[in-house]
Amino acid sequence: DAGVTQSPTHLIKTRGQQVTLRCSPKSGHDTVSWYQQALGQGPQFIFQYYEEEERQRGNFPDRFSGHQFPNYSSELNVNALLLGDSALYLCASSLLALAGDYEQYFGPGTRLTVT
Amino acid sequence: GESVGLHLPTLSVQEGDNSIINCAYSNSASDYFIWYKQESGKGPQFIIDIRSNMDKRQGQRVTVLLNKTVKHLSLQIAATQPGDSAVYFCAENTQAGTALIFGKGTTLSVSS
Repeated sequence: DAGVTQSPTHLIKTRGQQVTLRCSPKSGHDTVSWYQQALGQGPQFIFQYYEEEERQRGNFPDRFSGHQFPNYSSELNVNALLLGDSALYLCASSLLALAGDYEQYFGPGTRLTVT
Repeated sequence: GESVGLHLPTLSVQEGDNSIINCAYSNSASDYFIWYKQESGKGPQFIIDIRSNMDKRQGQRVTVLLNKTVKHLSLQIAATQPGDSAVYFCAENTQAGTALIFGKGTTLSVSS
């Protein structure tokens, strides 16, 4: 049973550039959430996608956008990169339709460095 | 804002000791709490969870206690092993499948 996968593992970008991160959810899951984890901090919720729509959004600027595809995989896009965007970006998947199942399974993350 | 926080940033124990990691939460509407373990270079790994209608839940070597009166959550690890060394986060949410709110984490170091 495949877990949550993310690509790439590491990425280095320059200020002002744009980046796209990818996530494949755990097999059977239909919901993908994205989190940003700065060094030494807990993950911060960016947004969640279900049925190809943004279902919930955290306190992140519009430079952060996403997409979910019919196969439930997802992309996170960040435009006009800032140094402060350097972080570990985590993807978590879950099965929204399963009543009472709250658990979100996390992938290994993508380490983004902005120089 | 609403957030979940941990009391201590670091905890050092000897192998074989019992470890207790604490967490305070502020949102009385939260009904689901989770403990995650995060090893260096990896994503958070689920350890154990508890619903707000419970006070205690046990897993393999781990126990989570929930005190809703003082909004306090704790993780107890029995017979701590070097492989338990990691950063531990508590997280909460108020509705199934929605955003998890994480605290800053406690780094557990186990020496043998």
